[in-house]
Amino acid sequence: DAGVIQSPRHEVTEMGQEVTLRCKPISGHDYLFWYRQTMMRGLELLIYFNNNVPIDDSGMPEDRFSAKMPNASFSTLKIQPSEPRDSAVYFCASSLRRGSNQPQHFGDGTRLSIL
Amino acid sequence: GEDVEQSLFLSVREGDSSVINCTYTDSSSTYLYWYKQEPGAGLQLLTYIFSNMDMKQDQRLTVLLNKKDHQLSLRIADTQTGDSAIYFCAERMSGGSNYKLTFGKGTLLTVNP
Repeated sequence: DAGVIQSPRHEVTEMGQEVTLRCKPISGHDYLFWYRQTMMRGLELLIYFNNNVPIDDSGMPEDRFSAKMPNASFSTLKIQPSEPRDSAVYFCASSLRRGSNQPQHFGDGTRLSIL
Repeated sequence: GEDVEQSLFLSVREGDSSVINCTYTDSSSTYLYWYKQEPGAGLQLLTYIFSNMDMKQDQRLTVLLNKKDHQLSLRIADTQTGDSAIYFCAERMSGGSNYKLTFGKGTLLTVNP
């Protein structure tokens, strides 16, 4: 089975540029989560969706960050304009609702470096 | 409030047992999870325990839950160099549509030959 697929795996760009991270959840999963991982803060939940609808975006750091889920098989996390402090590894995860013990399955992440 | 605490580092010799500890604060946690992260990869679910259980064993892994003291531990028997990774514990609260997980900062396990 294909797992959660994220692209790109690595992104290096200059500050001020727009960055778009992409995620394809596991087919049939109806929850999708975006996380950011840094040495200082660990793993932070940014936003999560249920059935393509954003449920909780309280973790999104600033208005520069936005996330969309236009359909059940695709989500994007956009940063515009990007800043050096946005450098981190961004993970997407998905899970099933049915059964309260359903774990979250993670993609391999996008390593973002803003110069 | 929600908070999950872990020690940051653990170093063991190959063949020994490793015990990684975690303290969580939310009494209403339903499920507690252990994830493993290898370099350059995402988090991989290792095991989980429901809050009404005290122990769960899965091959070399043993999870112990002390609900009274909010302590969770992961024991890895016969630790191998391939077990070197960062281990995260995570808690999931009960109620409604709360499917969020709260993660600890992770414990870096180093296995020395």
